[in-house]
Amino acid sequence: EAEVAQSPRYKITEKSQAVAFWCDPISGHATLYWYRQILGQGPELLVQFQDESVVDDSQLPKDRFSAERLKGVDSTLKIQPAELGDSAMYLCASSRTSNYNEQFFGPGTRLTVL
Amino acid sequence: GQNIDQPTEMTATEGAIVQINCTYQTSGFNGLFWYQQHAGEAPTFLSYNVLDGLEEKGRFSSFLSRSKGYSYLLLKELQMKDSASYLCAVRAQGGGFKTIFGAGTRLFVKA
Repeated sequence: EAEVAQSPRYKITEKSQAVAFWCDPISGHATLYWYRQILGQGPELLVQFQDESVVDDSQLPKDRFSAERLKGVDSTLKIQPAELGDSAMYLCASSRTSNYNEQFFGPGTRLTVL
Repeated sequence: GQNIDQPTEMTATEGAIVQINCTYQTSGFNGLFWYQQHAGEAPTFLSYNVLDGLEEKGRFSSFLSRSKGYSYLLLKELQMKDSASYLCAVRAQGGGFKTIFGAGTRLFVKA
């Protein structure tokens, strides 16, 4: 069964350092999502791609976060510089289209900023 | 704006039935989802409702009332493995489709 791949699974970094997360969606899925989930809360959408284009990044802290999906397949989310408050689970999800009735989530990257 | 409310925690007994409620306020409503999330794992899809009524899928059922901004997830014949967080999420249309998640309800199933 096809799955969304993410790496690394865990990342520990010091504040002010740069970190990057990678996501490979299910083949053929045009829509890709990056979410941040703080412990005890629901996932919060950071950025949504339709193919290679950003369709929603209204909640992305653009002073330190960036995301790209250059060829419309895999995607990278970067934080520079990392802050203590960035410690969270970063989830990538994909769906066939933006109005498809299910998002498939990857295993996530657990980020700890010291 | 958009707002989703669900209880923070619930406890139920193995073999029993539990109902997890979700109320929402949104413009451009385009469907409501329920996801299950075990601790430390990614959410997995349970159900989707866009029309009023009850959708049944095995031990799990989901109900939607659009006029009341209300949904519930019904879990029957509870098993210990059902201990997890249950996330209510609403999709809204407005310059594209966007899914907003609630904070989730942590369900504890006891023997």
